[in-house]
Amino acid sequence: AQSVTQLGSHVSVSEGALVLLRCNYSSSVPPYLFWYVQYPNQGLQLLLKYTSAATLVKGINGFEAEFKKSETSFHLTKPSAHMSDAAEYFCAVSEGDTGRRALTFGSGTRLQVQP
Amino acid sequence: DAGITQSPRHKVTETGTPVTLRCHQTENHRYMYWYRQDPGHGLRLIHYSYGVKDTDKGEVSDGYSVSRSKTEDFLLTLESATSSQTSVYFCAISGRGAGGYEQYFGPGTRLTVT
Repeated sequence: AQSVTQLGSHVSVSEGALVLLRCNYSSSVPPYLFWYVQYPNQGLQLLLKYTSAATLVKGINGFEAEFKKSETSFHLTKPSAHMSDAAEYFCAVSEGDTGRRALTFGSGTRLQVQP
Repeated sequence: DAGITQSPRHKVTETGTPVTLRCHQTENHRYMYWYRQDPGHGLRLIHYSYGVKDTDKGEVSDGYSVSRSKTEDFLLTLESATSSQTSVYFCAISGRGAGGYEQYFGPGTRLTVT
């Protein structure tokens, strides 16, 4: 069984500060990992994905994430927060080729950006 | 953006009534999913489909049924709605892309059961 843990349901940063959202996973198969962003009253938008190519993955809007197998982590970072980054962020792990190909999601982290 | 629409976008219904939510895709993707989103739980899988007429249960399938009679449409039915089914429902699609396995989400349906 797979699971995802996102540490911190709410994170608040100042505009221009580093953004760090934490994600740890467990998976019985080599994982495919994703970060999604959800703006208010919208669906989920794919930010970036890890698919066993490079361990440092770059995504849209200046976000990146690093896959660390030894730590079973896939933390999301952005060097300088913008007001427009305020949203909820979800980490997810895929079952890959094993049947359903469904995603297991973390409970989400709401990012607040202070002016 | 992936071509996924959901209807209705908002619905208020009474306890005990049947409700059907529709997901429509224009991407010709094989896999389709229904999730529900509740505060503190992220998204949880209700049912999924891996082809026309091929469906199976997810982790929170009790009280829900699905049907897929053609590639582009995936219906979620609440046979007899209960207040615990008040939630936001998202449809997602997946076709094995260059990296594989990512899902694309519809805009969601906000369902309130009174």
